[in-house]
Amino acid sequence: KAGVTQTPRYLIKTRGQQVTLSCSPISGHRSVSWYQQTPGQGLQFLFEYFSETQRNKGNFPGRFSGRQFSNSRSEMNVSTLELGDSALYLCASSLVYGALAKNIQYFGAGTRLSVL
Amino acid sequence: GENVEQHPSTLSVQEGDSAVIKCTYSDSASNYFPWYKQELGKRPQLIIDIRSNVGEKKDQRIAVTLNKTAKHFSLHITETQPEDSAVYFCAASPQPTSGTYKYIFGTGTRLKVLA
Repeated sequence: KAGVTQTPRYLIKTRGQQVTLSCSPISGHRSVSWYQQTPGQGLQFLFEYFSETQRNKGNFPGRFSGRQFSNSRSEMNVSTLELGDSALYLCASSLVYGALAKNIQYFGAGTRLSVL
Repeated sequence: GENVEQHPSTLSVQEGDSAVIKCTYSDSASNYFPWYKQELGKRPQLIIDIRSNVGEKKDQRIAVTLNKTAKHFSLHITETQPEDSAVYFCAASPQPTSGTYKYIFGTGTRLKVLA
């Protein structure tokens, strides 16, 4: 079974531009979460999608947005890029078993975004 | 708000010694506590997890303990080996019936095992 796939793996942009990152979850997984990873801040939660609906959002400005498609693939978009947006962006997918099941998240390899 | 504190931020141990990493969470609705290991340049990988109805879980050299009353959980690695060197993250997640699958991560512990 293929793992979580993120594209592209590397991206270089300049300030003010916008960027779209893609995440394909493990087949059958319906929940996708996005995280920003920086050396000093660890893994910061961005948002979580389930069945095309955003169910949770972290403390990030409105420049960060996302969506999920009917096949569970997800995209995140960052508009008006700032230098501080340089980070590794990770997505993780979960298989939703039910109320008593564990919520195990499987991570993709990430997209490393550099803003110049 | 929801928060997970993780200590220490860095930890160096001699090969063969034990390592302990501690986390404290704030959200009393949390009931699932995974630990992830991230090697340099790689994705985080789940190494062990525990649910709130269990106090301790072991998997070979790795164990996790949970004190739900104190909202503390810890990772214990015994007989450490150089390949255990990595960054370890703890996380807390609420019960899925709350309608969310959000993880709150700790800030990570960089473990160095010295040969």
